Amino acid sequence: DAMVIQNPRYQVTQFGKPVTLSCSQTLNHNVMYWYQQKSSQAPKLLFHYYDKDFNNEADTPDNFQSRRPNTSFCFLDIRSPGLGDAAMYLCATSRDRSRETQYFGPGTRLLVL
Amino acid sequence: QKEVEQNSGPLSVPEGAIASLNCTYSDRGSQSFFWYRQYSGKSPELIMFIYSNGDKEDGRFTAQLNKASQYVSLLIRDSQPSDSATYLCAVNFGNEKLTFGTGTRLTIIP
Repeated sequence: DAMVIQNPRYQVTQFGKPVTLSCSQTLNHNVMYWYQQKSSQAPKLLFHYYDKDFNNEADTPDNFQSRRPNTSFCFLDIRSPGLGDAAMYLCATSRDRSRETQYFGPGTRLLVL
Repeated sequence: QKEVEQNSGPLSVPEGAIASLNCTYSDRGSQSFFWYRQYSGKSPELIMFIYSNGDKEDGRFTAQLNKASQYVSLLIRDSQPSDSATYLCAVNFGNEKLTFGTGTRLTIIP
């Protein structure tokens, strides 16, 4: 089945230790998104790629970076995780940018010790 | 500031009854509207999308859109315990992104 896959599902890291979360998709969608969601809050968009075009949200901390080496894969790098970065990280894809439905992966829950 | 507002709940509905979830948004120029269901600890799952004024039905779910009044609602008929979840309303304001509400927590009481 075509889908959005995220690895790992759970990630534990130490304060300040870099961590990378991965997302892959078999939908051949042009757009890939990274969201951060904390408990009882709405998903918060961090950035998105339209093909190779990177779009950063104005309020996304510099601590968060992303890479999209090809259509199928997208990575979220957290350079120096703080306790406040503990959250669920959601990857989503859509075929195009305007009006298109976004499909979410299962998410990666990040714990920072 | 483009905003999506939802009553956080919890909304409790007896099994078999109709659950009604509401969402308002701030921009009349909004183009597309989505309802996602999110179980605790899981990722959002698409339930419905709607683009035009009126009703759109899919099984037990009906989405209703009123652009003049800037609200969109989701009705769930014959509510089941498995419908207990948080329902997220999301709006595309025409800026290539979705803006999510904080969600309404729905509990179906057996």
